[in-house]
Amino acid sequence: QQQVKQSPQSLIVQKGGISIINCAYENTAFDYFPWYQQFPGKGPALLIAIRPDVSEKKEGRFTISFNKSAKQFSLHIMDSQPGDSATYFCAARRYSSASKIIFGSGTRLSIRP
Amino acid sequence: EPEVTQTPSHQVTQMGQEVILRCVPISNHLYFYWYRQILGQKVEFLVSFYNNEISEKSEIFDDQFSVERPDGSNFTLKIRSTKLEDSAMYFCASLSGTANTEAFFGQGTRLTVV
Repeated sequence: QQQVKQSPQSLIVQKGGISIINCAYENTAFDYFPWYQQFPGKGPALLIAIRPDVSEKKEGRFTISFNKSAKQFSLHIMDSQPGDSATYFCAARRYSSASKIIFGSGTRLSIRP
Repeated sequence: EPEVTQTPSHQVTQMGQEVILRCVPISNHLYFYWYRQILGQKVEFLVSFYNNEISEKSEIFDDQFSVERPDGSNFTLKIRSTKLEDSAMYFCASLSGTANTEAFFGQGTRLTVV
């Protein structure tokens, strides 16, 4: 019940296209859903996050869509650029308790020029 | 911008040896974490630390592991007798604990056990 399931494992998108990564969770106690971007040899860095009181959050080219009833959320990267090539992790945790972060398995995104 | 600092960036050690991985969390943060990432796999929680004690640990964090905050700035992870399967990237993270905060991760220490 602690798992966060992520797909696809890898994704190749043409420059300018839309990259979509999907995640699902089971534990309804989770109330904070961040996405992390990781470049090779670096630590995960927060990209964008959402709380379940909204269905969508947009920051620049990055949008999280959240479906509370289905317990699913997704990351959309609009106008994907070669610099977006990285591994993306969805995650979940209980926000108020500063609890551990449960990570998805990661998606390796490659943007073709 | 404040950041979490980890040293060393890469550590190679013989199987059975003790290693200490070091972290300097962001100065006003109250919650500290260690995570592990085996090559190509997901990031896994090891342990959380608050108010000078462990608040939660995973199944991975067995008796071979320990954490310490020896002074006001450092947060360390010790592996007493390393095994080959301990080879991984180890990430330290810290969180302030006030409202609307996020955990910040260090760059990681790559541990290679030979």
